[in-house]
Amino acid sequence: DAKTTQPNSMESNEEEPVHLPCNHSTISGTDYIHWYRQLPSQGPEYVIHGLTSNVNNRMASLAIAEDRKSSTLILHRATLRDAAVYYCILRPPGNTGKLIFGQGTTLQVKP
Amino acid sequence: DTEVTQTPKHLVMGMTNKKSLKCEQHMGHRAMYWYKQKAKKPPELMFVYSYEKLSINESVPSRFSPECPNSSLLNLHLHALQPEDSALYLCASSQPLVRDEQFFGPGTRLTVL
Repeated sequence: DAKTTQPNSMESNEEEPVHLPCNHSTISGTDYIHWYRQLPSQGPEYVIHGLTSNVNNRMASLAIAEDRKSSTLILHRATLRDAAVYYCILRPPGNTGKLIFGQGTTLQVKP
Repeated sequence: DTEVTQTPKHLVMGMTNKKSLKCEQHMGHRAMYWYKQKAKKPPELMFVYSYEKLSINESVPSRFSPECPNSSLLNLHLHALQPEDSALYLCASSQPLVRDEQFFGPGTRLTVL
């Protein structure tokens, strides 16, 4: 399974944009890039996913590099509720449903 | 209803006990998962059920026994656990396609004495 690399932790100020990077240099052409987050004392929560093109949804945006070796999760205006561990995950082809979590990035949001 | 429920929320058991964790979803999902999460670590996949059949066992010790009695229910039967098995056990469900999001329950916090 291809591996992802994320910074251990990041800090942001409330109401400012946050860019969470993820490197996945060994990604294969058919791997989807998924992002999940885990708020304190909760199960992980789906944020967004993409394959090649940039994606937007109500929670965040996903910017994917042209060579697909990296991606960035963008929270447009961080709130205190966005403080969580953010996981960048590559989903291999096939219908196995496997999610292989890396170490993730712990995001702190300061008021 | 976009919720995955897990019971109990907390469980304390001795090494000789037999207990079960329960997970339920009513979203019509045909894939269900068990994950184990130790403190300050990411979740680790244990089992995957697809269309009520076990499709992935990530080399989990036999003291953990999963069961999927129907498309809405997933159980994890526990027997002769060790203290190092203490962890948060998370259940998730999804449609069984690689691009589909997984919905996670809040987990069962298990302590083995």
